[in-house]
Amino acid sequence: QKEVEQDPGPLSVPEGAIVSLNCTYSNSAFQYFMWYRQYSRKGPELLMYTYSSGNKEDGRFTAQVDKSSKYISLFIRDSQPSDSATYLCASYSGNTPLVFGKGTRLSVIA
Amino acid sequence: EADIYQTPRYLVIGTGKKITLECSQTMGHDKMYWYQQDPGMELHLIHYSYGVNSTEKGDLSSESTVSRIRTEHFPLTLESARPSHTSQYLCASSESFGANYGYTFGSGTRLTVV
Repeated sequence: QKEVEQDPGPLSVPEGAIVSLNCTYSNSAFQYFMWYRQYSRKGPELLMYTYSSGNKEDGRFTAQVDKSSKYISLFIRDSQPSDSATYLCASYSGNTPLVFGKGTRLSVIA
Repeated sequence: EADIYQTPRYLVIGTGKKITLECSQTMGHDKMYWYQQDPGMELHLIHYSYGVNSTEKGDLSSESTVSRIRTEHFPLTLESARPSHTSQYLCASSESFGANYGYTFGSGTRLTVV
């Protein structure tokens, strides 16, 4: 079993839709949870970062972690064509490298 | 403005050649990483370093080596390139301390071995 599981999609939504991206993880020691966005032929860029359980909001983006169910979510409100990218969840426990999900490819259609 | 630089951006090379992919960062980060990513696929950790003279192997390390002689520099070497090495190679760095352990990635080197 991979430590971080993510449905690769692809996911296609109309402009203005609310997008929900999800991951599950298996390692109970994970405390740090991140979402990266990767545009084609670019390196991933950090989008959201949360520690332990709870929600974090930044503009149109909300990251949510439920440690009891080992579930990580990213919500995008009022999605835009510029949000079209691959979104990767990642997690780790401390002094070990980040473990990435496979990434979900999102297309927002104008 | 990039704080982590990878060169070359693109490289086409023949089978059997020795190649070194360069990665430098200006943020003073102690930790650096190399990942391999095929198009549309997940990132695989190749090597990582937690400081000068410290290197560790990741999942795909058997056909490559790294060195960390200076904090800012973390080159990756393939001793004998093969077509199976054709991929995108991403370098990243992160802080050792503080609340944010997020990685900063470079733009990658796209390698083609013919």
